[in-house]
Amino acid sequence: EAQVTQNPRYLITVTGKKLTVTCSQNMNHEYMSWYRQDPGLGLRQIYYSMNVEVTDKGDVPEGYKVSRKEKRNFPLILESPSPNQTSLYFCASSFGGDYGYTFGSGTRLTVV
Amino acid sequence: AQSVSQHNHHVILSEAASLELGCNYSYGGTVNLFWYVQYPGQHLQLLLKYFSGDPLVKGIKGFEAEFIKSKFSFNLRKPSVQWSDTAEYFCAVNANAGKSTFGDGTTLTVKP
Repeated sequence: EAQVTQNPRYLITVTGKKLTVTCSQNMNHEYMSWYRQDPGLGLRQIYYSMNVEVTDKGDVPEGYKVSRKEKRNFPLILESPSPNQTSLYFCASSFGGDYGYTFGSGTRLTVV
Repeated sequence: AQSVSQHNHHVILSEAASLELGCNYSYGGTVNLFWYVQYPGQHLQLLLKYFSGDPLVKGIKGFEAEFIKSKFSFNLRKPSVQWSDTAEYFCAVNANAGKSTFGDGTTLTVKP
């Protein structure tokens, strides 16, 4: 089944403890992207990647890191999480800018 | 910078009523436009997209949208809504390759 897989689905962590949210797609998509969804703010793009080793900042990159060492994987790293990063995170992938994104099921992160 | 504005934050309709959700974008060049739907507790799914050609595009589940370049608009329509259309709807624009911007979303509640 074609899909974007994120793990974990739920995560509660403490301020400052480094964490990684994994994202993998099995559709051979070139583009991958991370978003955060907050009530009343819609989805905001954190980082995106148009190919292996090619990443760029979205609208809200502060406090996040990404890497794209393989085409299928695009992990999101929070080096020192803070409570304002409590949010619902979505990974997505696409064949390109003309195509829509396929989204993962989301990761609900709570930082206390 | 690109931006997206969705005019209605919450729309309440009765079954069989017609739907139109407004979306305006701000960007001076060529854009790709999308509508996504997010059913309660689920991830986003692509409803339809526009990147060139016929400005009236048809998507899944009986939805359609019209791109009006002169008005920078991409409104979503459905002639007759069903209770199962209750969801949150997002308009999105891709103006620069992988960079995408979403609107704040419109919550649609359909009363049976």
